[in-house]
Amino acid sequence: GAVVSQHPSRVICKSGTSVKIECRSLDFQATTMFWYRQFPKQSLMLMATSNEGSKATYEQGVEKDKFLINHASLTLSTLTVTSAHPEDSSFYICSATQGRNEQFFGPGTRLTVL
Amino acid sequence: GENVEQHPSTLSVQEGDSAVIKCTYSDSASNYFPWYKQELGKRPQLIIDIRSNVGEKKDQRIAVTLNKTAKHFSLHITETQPEDSAVYFCAASMKAGGTSYGKLTFGQGTILTVHP
Repeated sequence: GAVVSQHPSRVICKSGTSVKIECRSLDFQATTMFWYRQFPKQSLMLMATSNEGSKATYEQGVEKDKFLINHASLTLSTLTVTSAHPEDSSFYICSATQGRNEQFFGPGTRLTVL
Repeated sequence: GENVEQHPSTLSVQEGDSAVIKCTYSDSASNYFPWYKQELGKRPQLIIDIRSNVGEKKDQRIAVTLNKTAKHFSLHITETQPEDSAVYFCAASMKAGGTSYGKLTFGQGTILTVHP
């Protein structure tokens, strides 16, 4: 139980384009989903907290107009990187929780912006 | 906000030795402390966690200790094996609910290498 999926697993795009990443909780309803970014050889940095039906809460320094988060249902949250640039290349990981502390992580999405 | 410091950044041990990784946190309201193992290109995998109402927890070769007064917690791996080689992260969070939503703050990570 408590499986989280992400799609796509890898994406390569041209600079200036937008990329959408999906995060799904497959066998449970997630009260909250989180989006993290991880640069090579670095830790996971929380970007935003997402709750179904409400606006996401962004961490300091994260541009909400660049990283659009839509939490459409209790099992789906999407992260759209708008007008992507090479510095946005990173490993994006989502997680989901059932209202308790433990977070269940997705497998991550490797974004490469050319 | 919460700040988590993790040491050492790299740790090299011989197979069979023990490994200890230490973390400190800043927010006394934090009450949940998980440890994750992450292999290259993979998701973080929860290996053990501890809540603030206990001081120690053990699961086979892995144990975690928590000192709330000093605001630090440690991961202990005994009888290390080459397959334990990975990056280990500690994290801290407050109880889910209200405005905190149980968000995690991660330490910087420790690259553990176990030599055969």
